[in-house]
Amino acid sequence: AQSVTQPDIHITVSEGASLELRCNYSYGATPYLFWYVQSPGQGLQLLLKYFSGDTLVQGIKGFEAEFKRSQSSFNLRKPSVHWSDAAEYFCAVGDASGGSYIPTFGRGTSLIVHP
Amino acid sequence: DGGITQSPKYLFRKEGQNVTLSCEQNLNHDAMYWYRQDPGQGLRLIYYSQIVNDFQKGDIAEGYSVSREKKESFPLTVTSAQKNPTAFYLCASSIPAGGVHEQYFGPGTRLTVT
Repeated sequence: AQSVTQPDIHITVSEGASLELRCNYSYGATPYLFWYVQSPGQGLQLLLKYFSGDTLVQGIKGFEAEFKRSQSSFNLRKPSVHWSDAAEYFCAVGDASGGSYIPTFGRGTSLIVHP
Repeated sequence: DGGITQSPKYLFRKEGQNVTLSCEQNLNHDAMYWYRQDPGQGLRLIYYSQIVNDFQKGDIAEGYSVSREKKESFPLTVTSAQKNPTAFYLCASSIPAGGVHEQYFGPGTRLTVT
């Protein structure tokens, strides 16, 4: 069965600093990977996704993520964080080869941005 | 604009009462989902429906019921059998993207039961 681990419950960064949020997964042969962002009291918004091809994926709001098969990771990065990036971030994985077309979500990482 | 609507945003009920949460989408998506979100626990799947008049239990279906009479609508009823109903509830719909469904989420309903 597929699973997702987000090892960091909270991450604190200063505005303007770089950011990396970690995501590790277990899967079958064909992972489909997503990052979502959730502002307080709101729904989830898709930041980016990886299905195949180039392992470096560009998303909205200046975010990118890199798929590393050897490390079973799909870490989210941003070169310069803005105060408005403070939110909850969720990694999700689906495994079509295993028949699990509904993504499994990690428990989330809360990003705190200091001025 | 296409999207998913959940109403109301905040809902308060007395213990022992059933309550129905609304979810409507105009994205023409076949599949719809209900998730429950509690602090530190991520999203847990309650029910999902791949097509009208059909739905399946998710990981935490006990104490909940759903219907799917129209493609656009997927209401969730939280029954009095749900032991701890206070939570944030998210509705989603999806399109197939390869073999895995890409999900779009509504704004959520926060239910408080006292």
